[in-house]
Amino acid sequence: DQQVKQNSPSLSVQEGRISILNCDYTNSMFDYFLWYKKYPAEGPTFLISISSIKDKNEDGRFTVFLNKSAKHLSLHIVPSQPGDSAVYFCAAVDLGSSNTGKLIFGQGTTLQVKP
Amino acid sequence: ETGVTQSPTHLIKTRGQQVTLRCSSQSGHNTVSWYQQALGQGPQFIFQYYREEENGRGNFPPRFSGLQFPNYSSELNVNALELDDSALYLCASSAGQGAANEKLFFGSGTQLSVL
Repeated sequence: DQQVKQNSPSLSVQEGRISILNCDYTNSMFDYFLWYKKYPAEGPTFLISISSIKDKNEDGRFTVFLNKSAKHLSLHIVPSQPGDSAVYFCAAVDLGSSNTGKLIFGQGTTLQVKP
Repeated sequence: ETGVTQSPTHLIKTRGQQVTLRCSSQSGHNTVSWYQQALGQGPQFIFQYYREEENGRGNFPPRFSGLQFPNYSSELNVNALELDDSALYLCASSAGQGAANEKLFFGSGTQLSVL
């Protein structure tokens, strides 16, 4: 039962354009969401997060949007750079396990930014 | 500041064997979580240790066990290995129990192959 879904396994964009990565979830108890980026042979690194009480959070080139009614979030990268090429994971935390370290990850989307 | 380090980086075992994976937490972190990432999937939560006690567990059988030591380093032990245990095992440390407010710092992982 996949509670967090990233339905696009891969995305290719041109340098300088916008990258939009999408994530859907099924559990309405999720109250906090995070995006992680993973390069080959490295562990995931935290990118940006958003609480369920907000609908937008911005950090430099990265913005995360949350639509609670649709149970959907998206990560926007503007402008995209070749160094952004990586696997991006969406992750969620639910109210019941916020003290256990349990993150529920999506399957990941591989972003390729072409020069 | 030393990051999260895992050893070994790669390991090959045969079905039925036992394996121990090791993790050194980032300096100052007292919590460690273990995740399993199968090929093409996102990381799945195995368990978390906080101050040497198991603090939460995912949907993994008892043959997956762990330890956390007084210096906050950790081990993941898997008994009676099965072919499906082949995966990347990620260790993540944080300065507190919560996954949401304390962003996890991941190691590069141990790639386990079970033949």
